[in-house]
Amino acid sequence: NAGVTQTPKFQVLKTGQSMTLQCAQDMNHNSMYWYRQDPGMGLRLIYYSASEGTTDKGEVPNGYNVSRLNKREFSLRLESAAPSQTSVYFCASSEALGLAGETGELFFGEGSRLTVL
Amino acid sequence: AQTVTQSQPEMSVQEAETVTLSCTYDTSESDYYLFWYKQPPSRQMILVIRQEAYKQQNATENRFSVNFQKAAKSFSLKISDSQLGDAAMYFCAYRRGNAGGTSYGKLTFGQGTILTVHP
Repeated sequence: NAGVTQTPKFQVLKTGQSMTLQCAQDMNHNSMYWYRQDPGMGLRLIYYSASEGTTDKGEVPNGYNVSRLNKREFSLRLESAAPSQTSVYFCASSEALGLAGETGELFFGEGSRLTVL
Repeated sequence: AQTVTQSQPEMSVQEAETVTLSCTYDTSESDYYLFWYKQPPSRQMILVIRQEAYKQQNATENRFSVNFQKAAKSFSLKISDSQLGDAAMYFCAYRRGNAGGTSYGKLTFGQGTILTVHP
Protein backbone atom coordinates (compact mmCIF):
# COMPACT_ATOMS: atom_id res chain seq x y z
CA ASN A 1 0.00 0.00 0.00
CA ALA A 2 2.04 2.94 -1.31
CA GLY A 3 -0.35 5.78 -0.37
CA VAL A 4 1.26 9.05 -1.49
CA THR A 5 4.59 8.80 -3.29
CA GLN A 6 6.73 11.82 -4.10
CA THR A 7 10.03 12.06 -5.92
CA PRO A 8 12.81 12.95 -5.58
CA LYS A 9 13.45 12.68 -1.83
CA PHE A 10 16.44 15.02 -1.98
CA GLN A 11 17.60 17.57 -4.53
CA VAL A 12 20.25 20.27 -4.68
CA LEU A 13 19.82 23.03 -7.24
CA LYS A 14 21.72 26.13 -8.24
CA THR A 15 19.94 29.47 -8.32
CA GLY A 16 18.06 29.83 -11.60
CA GLN A 17 17.75 26.11 -12.35
CA SER A 18 14.37 24.51 -12.82
CA MET A 19 12.97 21.27 -11.53
CA THR A 20 9.73 19.37 -11.04
CA LEU A 21 8.60 17.50 -7.95
CA GLN A 22 6.40 14.56 -8.80
CA CYS A 23 3.57 13.22 -6.66
CA ALA A 24 1.23 10.27 -7.14
CA GLN A 25 -1.45 8.78 -4.91
CA ASP A 26 -3.16 5.41 -5.18
CA MET A 27 -6.09 6.04 -2.83
CA ASN A 28 -8.43 7.37 -5.52
CA HIS A 29 -8.63 10.71 -3.73
CA ASN A 30 -10.10 13.72 -5.49
CA SER A 31 -8.02 16.42 -3.80
CA MET A 32 -4.26 16.89 -3.79
CA TYR A 33 -2.00 19.49 -2.19
CA TRP A 34 1.54 20.81 -2.11
CA TYR A 35 2.87 22.24 1.16
CA ARG A 36 6.25 23.56 2.16
CA GLN A 37 7.67 23.23 5.67
CA ASP A 38 10.08 25.78 7.09
CA PRO A 39 11.40 26.04 10.67
CA GLY A 40 9.06 28.01 12.93
CA MET A 41 6.42 28.40 10.23
CA GLY A 42 4.70 25.04 10.16
CA LEU A 43 3.33 23.80 6.86
CA ARG A 44 2.15 26.40 4.38
CA LEU A 45 0.01 25.61 1.38
CA ILE A 46 1.54 26.36 -2.00
CA TYR A 47 -1.11 25.08 -4.41
CA TYR A 48 -3.94 22.62 -4.30
CA SER A 49 -6.20 20.77 -6.66
CA ALA A 50 -9.68 20.24 -5.27
CA SER A 51 -10.55 17.82 -8.06
CA GLU A 52 -9.15 16.63 -11.36
CA GLY A 53 -8.96 19.49 -13.82
CA THR A 54 -8.79 22.28 -11.24
CA THR A 55 -5.93 23.98 -9.43
CA ASP A 56 -5.90 26.90 -7.02
CA LYS A 57 -3.31 29.05 -5.31
CA GLY A 58 -2.62 28.57 -1.65
CA GLU A 59 -0.86 30.82 0.82
CA VAL A 60 2.59 30.96 -0.84
CA PRO A 61 2.25 30.32 -4.61
CA ASN A 62 4.84 32.76 -5.97
CA GLY A 63 7.66 31.07 -7.86
CA TYR A 64 5.77 27.80 -8.35
CA ASN A 65 3.51 26.20 -10.91
CA VAL A 66 1.48 23.01 -10.71
CA SER A 67 -0.09 20.49 -13.03
CA ARG A 68 -2.84 18.02 -12.18
CA LEU A 69 -1.91 15.48 -14.80
CA ASN A 70 -4.75 13.09 -13.95
CA LYS A 71 -6.59 11.99 -10.84
CA ARG A 72 -3.51 10.24 -9.46
CA GLU A 73 -0.73 12.73 -10.20
CA PHE A 74 -0.02 16.31 -9.13
CA SER A 75 3.35 17.89 -9.94
CA LEU A 76 5.04 21.03 -8.60
CA ARG A 77 7.45 22.97 -10.78
CA LEU A 78 10.05 25.54 -9.85
CA GLU A 79 10.83 27.46 -13.05
CA SER A 80 13.77 29.48 -11.72
CA ALA A 81 14.83 28.30 -8.28
CA ALA A 82 15.80 30.82 -5.62
CA PRO A 83 17.52 30.29 -2.24
CA SER A 84 14.23 31.28 -0.54
CA GLN A 85 12.73 28.10 -1.96
CA THR A 86 15.06 25.94 0.10
CA SER A 87 12.58 23.89 2.11
CA VAL A 88 10.99 20.53 2.69
CA TYR A 89 8.08 19.95 0.34
CA PHE A 90 5.14 17.69 1.10
CA CYS A 91 2.52 16.35 -1.22
CA ALA A 92 -0.78 15.26 0.30
CA SER A 93 -4.17 13.97 -0.77
CA SER A 94 -7.64 13.76 0.73
CA GLU A 95 -11.17 12.84 -0.06
CA ALA A 96 -14.08 15.23 0.00
CA LEU A 97 -16.11 15.89 3.10
CA GLY A 98 -19.69 14.82 2.69
CA LEU A 99 -18.81 11.36 1.45
CA ALA A 100 -19.59 8.59 3.87
CA GLY A 101 -17.05 8.39 6.67
CA GLU A 102 -14.78 11.07 5.25
CA THR A 103 -13.50 13.84 7.52
CA GLY A 104 -11.04 15.49 5.17
CA GLU A 105 -7.97 14.01 6.78
CA LEU A 106 -4.83 14.62 4.72
CA PHE A 107 -2.55 11.73 3.79
CA PHE A 108 1.04 12.81 3.26
CA GLY A 109 4.02 11.69 1.25
CA GLU A 110 7.41 11.36 2.92
CA GLY A 111 8.60 14.81 1.90
CA SER A 112 11.27 16.12 -0.45
CA ARG A 113 14.18 18.17 0.85
CA LEU A 114 15.19 20.81 -1.66
CA THR A 115 18.29 22.97 -1.28
CA VAL A 116 18.91 25.91 -3.59
CA LEU A 117 22.45 27.26 -3.56
CA ALA B 1 -8.78 33.65 6.73
CA GLN B 2 -8.38 31.06 9.41
CA THR B 3 -5.26 31.06 11.56
CA VAL B 4 -3.86 28.44 13.88
CA THR B 5 -1.43 29.32 16.66
CA GLN B 6 0.78 27.02 18.70
CA SER B 7 2.43 29.22 21.31
CA GLN B 8 4.85 26.59 22.64
CA PRO B 9 7.80 26.11 20.26
CA GLU B 10 9.23 23.40 22.54
CA MET B 11 7.98 21.22 25.37
CA SER B 12 9.57 18.44 27.38
CA VAL B 13 8.23 15.65 29.56
CA GLN B 14 9.57 12.79 31.61
CA GLU B 15 8.79 9.31 30.44
CA ALA B 16 5.48 8.03 31.93
CA GLU B 17 4.35 11.57 32.80
CA THR B 18 1.59 13.63 31.18
CA VAL B 19 2.08 16.63 28.92
CA THR B 20 -0.34 19.05 27.29
CA LEU B 21 0.31 20.87 24.02
CA SER B 22 -1.65 24.04 23.34
CA CYS B 23 -3.37 25.23 20.19
CA THR B 24 -5.69 28.13 19.51
CA TYR B 25 -7.41 29.02 16.27
CA ASP B 26 -9.37 31.85 14.79
CA THR B 27 -12.41 31.30 12.60
CA SER B 28 -15.83 32.78 11.99
CA GLU B 29 -17.28 29.45 10.91
CA SER B 30 -19.28 27.09 13.10
CA ASP B 31 -18.67 23.89 11.13
CA TYR B 32 -15.08 22.73 11.05
CA TYR B 33 -12.64 19.97 11.96
CA LEU B 34 -9.48 20.07 14.04
CA PHE B 35 -6.53 17.72 13.82
CA TRP B 36 -3.29 16.92 15.60
CA TYR B 37 -0.50 15.50 13.44
CA LYS B 38 2.77 14.02 14.66
CA GLN B 39 6.02 14.34 12.70
CA PRO B 40 8.83 12.14 14.03
CA PRO B 41 12.43 12.54 12.83
CA SER B 42 11.56 10.35 9.83
CA ARG B 43 9.59 13.37 8.55
CA GLN B 44 6.44 11.33 7.96
CA MET B 45 3.23 13.15 8.93
CA ILE B 46 1.01 10.92 11.05
CA LEU B 47 -2.54 11.73 12.14
CA VAL B 48 -2.84 11.49 15.93
CA ILE B 49 -6.41 12.57 16.59
CA ARG B 50 -9.25 14.60 15.08
CA GLN B 51 -12.24 16.46 16.46
CA GLU B 52 -15.47 17.49 14.78
CA ALA B 53 -16.58 20.92 15.98
CA TYR B 54 -20.23 19.87 16.24
CA LYS B 55 -19.37 17.16 18.74
CA GLN B 56 -19.46 18.12 22.41
CA GLN B 57 -17.44 15.13 23.50
CA ASN B 58 -13.68 15.39 23.43
CA ALA B 59 -11.93 12.92 21.13
CA THR B 60 -9.72 10.21 22.62
CA GLU B 61 -7.30 7.78 20.99
CA ASN B 62 -5.60 5.53 23.54
CA ARG B 63 -3.09 7.73 25.43
CA PHE B 64 -3.99 10.81 23.39
CA SER B 65 -6.92 13.03 24.21
CA VAL B 66 -8.00 16.57 23.43
CA ASN B 67 -9.57 19.38 25.39
CA PHE B 68 -11.79 21.13 22.87
CA GLN B 69 -13.15 24.47 24.05
CA LYS B 70 -15.22 25.78 21.15
CA ALA B 71 -16.15 29.12 22.69
CA ALA B 72 -12.54 29.84 23.57
CA LYS B 73 -11.34 28.45 20.21
CA SER B 74 -8.85 26.25 22.00
CA PHE B 75 -7.80 22.71 21.09
CA SER B 76 -5.12 21.22 23.33
CA LEU B 77 -3.59 17.76 23.10
CA LYS B 78 -2.91 15.72 26.22
CA ILE B 79 -0.47 12.84 26.06
CA SER B 80 -0.67 10.50 29.03
CA ASP B 81 1.97 7.98 30.11
CA SER B 82 4.47 9.56 27.71
CA GLN B 83 6.78 7.19 25.86
CA LEU B 84 10.12 7.75 24.16
CA GLY B 85 8.42 7.14 20.83
CA ASP B 86 6.19 10.17 21.40
CA ALA B 87 9.16 12.48 20.82
CA ALA B 88 8.34 14.42 17.67
CA MET B 89 7.08 17.69 16.24
CA TYR B 90 3.34 18.06 16.76
CA PHE B 91 1.15 20.17 14.49
CA CYS B 92 -2.35 21.42 15.13
CA ALA B 93 -4.47 21.91 12.01
CA TYR B 94 -7.88 23.35 11.05
CA ARG B 95 -10.21 22.43 8.22
CA ARG B 96 -13.51 24.05 7.38
CA GLY B 97 -16.58 21.86 7.33
CA ASN B 98 -18.98 21.22 4.49
CA ALA B 99 -22.15 22.80 5.87
CA GLY B 100 -24.20 19.77 4.93
CA GLY B 101 -22.95 19.41 1.38
CA THR B 102 -19.87 17.91 -0.22
CA SER B 103 -16.80 20.06 -0.16
CA TYR B 104 -13.14 19.94 -0.92
CA GLY B 105 -10.83 21.81 1.37
CA LYS B 106 -7.36 22.37 2.69
CA LEU B 107 -5.83 22.23 6.14
CA THR B 108 -4.30 25.25 7.82
CA PHE B 109 -1.45 24.33 10.15
CA GLY B 110 0.06 25.88 13.25
CA GLN B 111 3.77 26.49 13.65
CA GLY B 112 4.42 23.22 15.46
CA THR B 113 5.65 22.18 18.92
CA ILE B 114 8.75 20.06 19.38
CA LEU B 115 8.18 17.51 22.14
CA THR B 116 11.17 15.96 23.90
CA VAL B 117 10.68 12.92 26.11
CA HIS B 118 13.31 12.33 28.80
CA PRO B 119 13.95 8.77 30.03
